[in-house]
Amino acid sequence: QKEVEQDPGPLSVPEGAIVSLNCTYSNSAFQYFMWYRQYSRKGPELLMYTYSSGNKEDGRFTAQVDKSSKYISLFIRDSQPSDSATYLCAMSGTGAGSYQLTFGKGTKLSVIP
Amino acid sequence: DGGITQSPKYLFRKEGQNVTLSCEQNLNHDAMYWYRQDPGQGLRLIYYSQIVNDFQKGDIAEGYSVSREKKESFPLTVTSAQKNPTAFYLCASKPPNTDTQYFGPGTRLTVL
Repeated sequence: QKEVEQDPGPLSVPEGAIVSLNCTYSNSAFQYFMWYRQYSRKGPELLMYTYSSGNKEDGRFTAQVDKSSKYISLFIRDSQPSDSATYLCAMSGTGAGSYQLTFGKGTKLSVIP
Repeated sequence: DGGITQSPKYLFRKEGQNVTLSCEQNLNHDAMYWYRQDPGQGLRLIYYSQIVNDFQKGDIAEGYSVSREKKESFPLTVTSAQKNPTAFYLCASKPPNTDTQYFGPGTRLTVL
């Protein structure tokens, strides 16, 4: 079983839709969870960073962590064509100072005008 | 502006040649990383360095080498021993007391 599973998509939605992106993981030691957005031929950029279980909201983006189910989600409200990108989840176990991240393979999202 | 720069953006090399990819950061981060990204494979860690003059192998270090002589710089050499070097290479750095990593724009290497 892979440590982090992420549906590669592609996922196509109409502009204005609510998008739900998800990752599951197997390592119960993971406590820190990140979402990165990667445009085509560019480096990933950090979108959201959360610790342990719960929700975190930033504008149109909400990150949700359910440690009991080993499941994390990123919701995008009022999706825009500029949200079209690949979204990578990442996680780590020990918090501050942990030197390695475990990444999902990414979900490719297209928002159609 | 603070950030991570990678050069060149595109690189073409013939089979059997060594090539060095540049990564520079002015964020004053101690930790730096090199990843390789292939379609459908996600990010795979090649090497990382926690501090100057020290580095560790990642999951796919064979055929690659690095150096860390300065805090700001972490160059990656793709040697002729790397069997399939064509890929998108990403450099990242990490501030202290956090797990988040920040990425450069990447270098696309094509071996002809």
